Amino acid sequence: GNSVTQMEGPVTLSEEAFLTINCTYTATGYPSLFWYVQYPGEGLQLLLKATKADDKGSNKGFEATYRKETTSFHLEKGSVQVSDSAVYFCALSETSGSARQLTFGSGTQLTVLP
Amino acid sequence: SQTIHQWPATLVQPVGSPLSLECTVEGTSNPNLYWYRQAAGRGLQLLFYSVGIGQISSEVPQNLSASRPQDRQFILSSKKLLLSDSGFYLCAWSAGRTGNRQPQHFGDGTRLSIL
Repeated sequence: GNSVTQMEGPVTLSEEAFLTINCTYTATGYPSLFWYVQYPGEGLQLLLKATKADDKGSNKGFEATYRKETTSFHLEKGSVQVSDSAVYFCALSETSGSARQLTFGSGTQLTVLP
Repeated sequence: SQTIHQWPATLVQPVGSPLSLECTVEGTSNPNLYWYRQAAGRGLQLLFYSVGIGQISSEVPQNLSASRPQDRQFILSSKKLLLSDSGFYLCAWSAGRTGNRQPQHFGDGTRLSIL
């Protein structure tokens, strides 16, 4: 079956540091890939997405590139801010046409210190 | 634009009491609807999903049930809550009948504490 493996957290960085959160996946076919962010006490928000190989999703300074050869979708940001502190989830869509759709990673807690 | 509403935001219930959490979506028709639970470790567990009125798929056997009485309304229920039902419950929707590459959009969640 499909699965998503995320970098274990928590991750603690200083403001303006470079961020990478690793995500690799196992899937049949050609899934779409997503990153979601969850701020404390809130629901998940879609951060960015990529629907085919070599696509780069970007939003709010975050980027992730769909790498089919390495089955990865790592999240990066060049300079993090305190307001980026949150839990980040990598997810993929299933390709069978089922409405069940998304498989989530376990989440990575990011804390950015001033 | 589409919006999703979940209520209540927080709920404290005694063991053995009933539960009803409601979720509604606006600005779209025939959405796929989802209920997730997020326990204290952050991971998301899909509980139920629905592709249409009266159509409910259950992902895991449990003490909870779901219903979809209207196109854009999704209800999570229990007749008797257990301590293990505590958690953060999230409702989500995605565009229906448009293939499998659509993202899901989440509500703000309900924090349920069982005493």
